[in-house]
Amino acid sequence: SQTIHQWPATLVQPVGSPLSLECTVEGTSNPNLYWYRQAAGRGLQLLFYSVGIGQISSEVPQNLSASRPQDRQFILSSKKLLLSDSGFYLCACADRYNQPQHFGDGTRLSI
Amino acid sequence: AQKVTQAQTEISVVEKEDVTLDCVYETRDTTYYLFWYKQPPSGELVFLIRRNSFDEQNEISGRYSWNFQKSTSSFNFTITASQVVDSAVYFCALSAGRSGNTGKLIFGQGTTLQVKP
Repeated sequence: SQTIHQWPATLVQPVGSPLSLECTVEGTSNPNLYWYRQAAGRGLQLLFYSVGIGQISSEVPQNLSASRPQDRQFILSSKKLLLSDSGFYLCACADRYNQPQHFGDGTRLSI
Repeated sequence: AQKVTQAQTEISVVEKEDVTLDCVYETRDTTYYLFWYKQPPSGELVFLIRRNSFDEQNEISGRYSWNFQKSTSSFNFTITASQVVDSAVYFCALSAGRSGNTGKLIFGQGTTLQVKP
């Protein structure tokens, strides 16, 4: 079964600082990978997804970017954080074709 | 457009009561998948069930059961004899259409369930 590692678990960053959140996956090959954000309250918003190395699709225009340098590594970045970037960031992984997505433990980001 | 609506923002029950969480979805696609996830206070999302649009059989797993009705575009979740450990936020999600090949999920806003002892 898949195991998803996310770090750090919590992060406090000043406005204008850079960001790098990393997600790695074990137990599967060539998965679909996703980054979600959950703002205070509860809704989950899909930020980026990737169906392969170097292939990134962005769902909403924003201050963030994503990269997939290796098959099982997905990185969320920002050059300059905004207050609105605060939230709970979740990485998810799925085998192809609508298999259930499995989530990491998340990173709580406070700006 | 695709949408998932969980009209119940918060539900509070006493332990051992049965509780049903509602989920209504919208999609024009004939092939789609529905999911339920649980988010306990610790924050991680736990997968509970996946249903495809061609399988309307209800499913039971222990105290959990799911009622999928295409006629009303609903995929409701019932917990029988609720326990304090069931306290969490529950999300219903949809994967359909163009998102189907990538597995992108559209989440409802979630229902917070509080089970009191």
